[in-house]
Amino acid sequence: DARVTQTPRHKVTEMGQEVTMRCQPILGHNTVFWYRQTMMQGLELLAYFRNRAPLDDSGMPKDRFSAEMPDATLATLKIQPSEPRDSAVYFCASGLWGSNQPQHFGDGTRLSIL
Amino acid sequence: QQPVQSPQAVILREGEDAVINCSSSKALYSVHWYRQKHGEAPVFLMILLKGGEQKGHEKISASFNEKKQQSSLYLTASQLSYSGTYFCGTPRGGSEKLVFGKGTKLTVNP
Repeated sequence: DARVTQTPRHKVTEMGQEVTMRCQPILGHNTVFWYRQTMMQGLELLAYFRNRAPLDDSGMPKDRFSAEMPDATLATLKIQPSEPRDSAVYFCASGLWGSNQPQHFGDGTRLSIL
Repeated sequence: QQPVQSPQAVILREGEDAVINCSSSKALYSVHWYRQKHGEAPVFLMILLKGGEQKGHEKISASFNEKKQQSSLYLTASQLSYSGTYFCGTPRGGSEKLVFGKGTKLTVNP
């Protein structure tokens, strides 16, 4: 089965450090999503891309977060500088274009900022 | 706006049935359902579409009431493997952006 691949699976770092999370969407999927999951807020959409173009990043703190898709096989989410409140599980998901298409989630990056 | 799920948690014995509800204050055109096991990624179950078309899972059914702006997920003869947190998601503004409910934690015991 095709899967969304995320790296790293776990990341522990100190406050102020740069964090880069990577995602390889399923081949052929043209829409990529970044979500953050915490106990308090649940699953929140941070940003998403269609055909590598950013469509919406309104869920992301702009001053420290950035999301890019340098090519069709790689999406990145960066945090600089990181803060303890950024500790969460970050999921990437991919799918086909359209609101009636399922989203396929990667295994997530569990991020802890000390 | 975030859809509201109920109940927040339910505990069953294997073989029992459960219903999970998802309601929205805004008009719904479709509802997505996902299941997430502890420490794992959410997994797609099904999509309920306006007009009644359903795409998804074989052993779990669901309904979609457009007038009431709600969807219900029916798990019958529950199995241990059904344990997990169930999320409904509703597309925002007809786009691919999903707004997820806070989830319903289902525990199936032997």
